[in-house]
Amino acid sequence: GDSVTQMEGPVTLSEEAFLTINCTYTATGYPSLFWYVQYPGEGLQLLLKATKADDKGSNKGFEATYRKETTSFHLEKGSVQVSDSAVYFCALLHRGNQFYFGTGTSLTVIP
Amino acid sequence: DTEVTQTPKHLVMGMTNKKSLKCEQHMGHRAMYWYKQKAKKPPELMFVYSYEKLSINESVPSRFSPECPNSSLLNLHLHALQPEDSALYLCASSQAGEGANYGYTFGSGTRLTVV
Repeated sequence: GDSVTQMEGPVTLSEEAFLTINCTYTATGYPSLFWYVQYPGEGLQLLLKATKADDKGSNKGFEATYRKETTSFHLEKGSVQVSDSAVYFCALLHRGNQFYFGTGTSLTVIP
Repeated sequence: DTEVTQTPKHLVMGMTNKKSLKCEQHMGHRAMYWYKQKAKKPPELMFVYSYEKLSINESVPSRFSPECPNSSLLNLHLHALQPEDSALYLCASSQAGEGANYGYTFGSGTRLTVV
């Protein structure tokens, strides 16, 4: 069945460091892929998405490229800020049915 | 309006109480969802409504009763809950069918504590 495997956390980085959070997926066909962010005490916010192979999603300095050959959708940001501290969820959606979420990666950015 | 609004934001209820969670959206989305999220875990799907009809029930106990009175509103009625039901309850909406592949919009959730 469909599934998402996400890099284990927690991740702690210094401000302005480079961020990578790995995400790989298993699915038949061509799912849509997403990164959601959850700040403490809040719901999920869509960070970026890609609906087909080789698409690059980007938002607020974050990027992820849909790589069908490696079944991956890794999240990157060149220079993180303290305000980026949150939990990040990779997810896939297939045939509009339901999301398959990764386990979430907690990021803490220290000044 | 590009938001999903959930009320209340926080709820404390006893095990014998009856309460309801409310979710509202005005984006014209015809699919709406209830998710349950425990601390440090990903959200888990509970119910899916498509065109105001229940299409998925993920074997949720009957003490949780969903209702979709119209295309903009989704309720979750709670009765005789257990302390282990304490969690963040998230509502989401999307276009129905294949349109959902463009993503869901989530509300900010209701944090429920059962005492």
